[in-house]
Amino acid sequence: QSALTQPPSVSGAPGQRVTISCTGSSSNIGAGYDVHWYQQLPGTVPKLLIYGNSNRLSGVPDRFSGSKSGTSASLAITGLQAEDEADYYCQSYDSSLSGWVFGGGTKLTVL
Amino acid sequence: QVQLQESGPGLVKPSQTLSLTCTVSGGSISSGGYYWSWIRQPAGKGLEWIGRMYISGSTNYNPSLKSRVTISEDTSKNQFSLKLSSVIAADTAVYYCARSQRRGGYDWYFDLWGRGTLVTVSS
Repeated sequence: QSALTQPPSVSGAPGQRVTISCTGSSSNIGAGYDVHWYQQLPGTVPKLLIYGNSNRLSGVPDRFSGSKSGTSASLAITGLQAEDEADYYCQSYDSSLSGWVFGGGTKLTVL
Repeated sequence: QVQLQESGPGLVKPSQTLSLTCTVSGGSISSGGYYWSWIRQPAGKGLEWIGRMYISGSTNYNPSLKSRVTISEDTSKNQFSLKLSSVIAADTAVYYCARSQRRGGYDWYFDLWGRGTLVTVSS
C-alpha cells in the first residue's frame, strides 16, 4: 500500500475537465514536501509532467495544472483530448520512510 | 543530451541475485547535482522506487527492499548498478534507471528515465 493514495481510475469526455487527487499524510505532503506528476502513455516510459506542485515542464500544454494543499495534491486536465489517455502518478518524499514514494497511479480514460 | 540505458539478464532464477547496470551517456555521473535511482514497475502495476545513490557514495534504499538491495557506481565506466538478492517471482518487473534533479529550490524529481528492462524471475 502506497504512502500516497490516488484513485485507480478517472474518466471524462473530450473537452471536459478532470482532476486526479493524490492524498498523503503528515510525513510526506503534509510535511511540506513537494509533489511531482508523471504521465505514462501506454507502453512507454513515465515522463515528468509537473514538478514542484504546480510547475509545468517545458512543452507541457497549459491544459495541465497542479496544486497542493494540506496533505493532498491534485492534477487537473482541462479540454481533455484523446492523447491524454494514460496513467498518471504523483511522487513526493516521505520522511518516515526516508525515501521517495509514488502514488499507486490513476488510469485516465477519455470516453 | 544525457541518456540512460539499462542492461542485464532478462531472466533470473528464484533465490539468485538480480544484477542490472545503467550506462549514462552524454553526461557524467561524477559531475554532481543529481541523484541516480532505480525504479521498478510490475506488469499492470504502479511504480516503486527501489533506491538511489549520490556520487559522494551515499545511498538510500526503500525500507521494504533495503535488506536485499545494493546500488553502486563505476565512475570509470560512467555507470551505476543495482543488485537485488534472494529474488522471488514478485520481483518480476520492468526495471528503470532514472536521474533526479531539483530546480528552483523544489524537492528532487525524476527528470530523465531509461527505457526500462524487463526482468523475469522464474526457474
